[in-house]
Amino acid sequence: DQQVKQNSPSLSVQEGRISILNCDYTNSMFDYFLWYKKYPAEGPTFLISISSIKDKNEDGRFTVFLNKSAKHLSLHIVPSQPGDSAVYFCAASPETSGSRLTFGEGTQLTVNP
Amino acid sequence: NAGVMQNPRHLVRRRGQEARLRCSPMKGHSHVYWYRQLPEEGLKFMVYLQKENIIDESGMPKERFSAEFPKEGPSILRIQQVVRGDSAAYFCASSPRQGSGNTIYFGEGSWLTVV
Repeated sequence: DQQVKQNSPSLSVQEGRISILNCDYTNSMFDYFLWYKKYPAEGPTFLISISSIKDKNEDGRFTVFLNKSAKHLSLHIVPSQPGDSAVYFCAASPETSGSRLTFGEGTQLTVNP
Repeated sequence: NAGVMQNPRHLVRRRGQEARLRCSPMKGHSHVYWYRQLPEEGLKFMVYLQKENIIDESGMPKERFSAEFPKEGPSILRIQQVVRGDSAAYFCASSPRQGSGNTIYFGEGSWLTVV
């Protein structure tokens, strides 16, 4: 039972353009969402998060949008840079308890120079 | 200011042997989490511990796996009688308190290969 799904295993964009990574969830109890970035042979690095009381959170080039009625969130990276090439994981947890994160399968982003 | 330290980074075990993975949380962090990533999959929660206490082990396999976080020393994830299906990356994370996910910091991971 995959409660957090990232349906695109890979995404390729040109440098300078926008990258949009999508994530869907099924568990109505989730109300805190996070994006992590992961390079090969390294641990995940926290990028940005959003609480369900918001529909948008922005941090520099990264913006996360949450559509609670559709149980969908997305991460926008603009402008994309080659150094952004990595696997991006969406994660969710109930309320603001971070004790148990449920991760999606990840999306491999490749930003071409 | 050291981050979450995991060792060994790579471990090879024969089927039936024991694997011990260690995790030292960030300084000042008393909450430790273990996640497992199987090939081509996302990270899966295994267990959440505070010092000397297991808070949530709902993601741990019922047999062969155990975890501890003693008063002194690192957290240990122990896998007895390993099988090929245990081959995975095991990530430890820590936080200063239970709470918002952005305070959870991950280690570099320990890659277990069972031959």
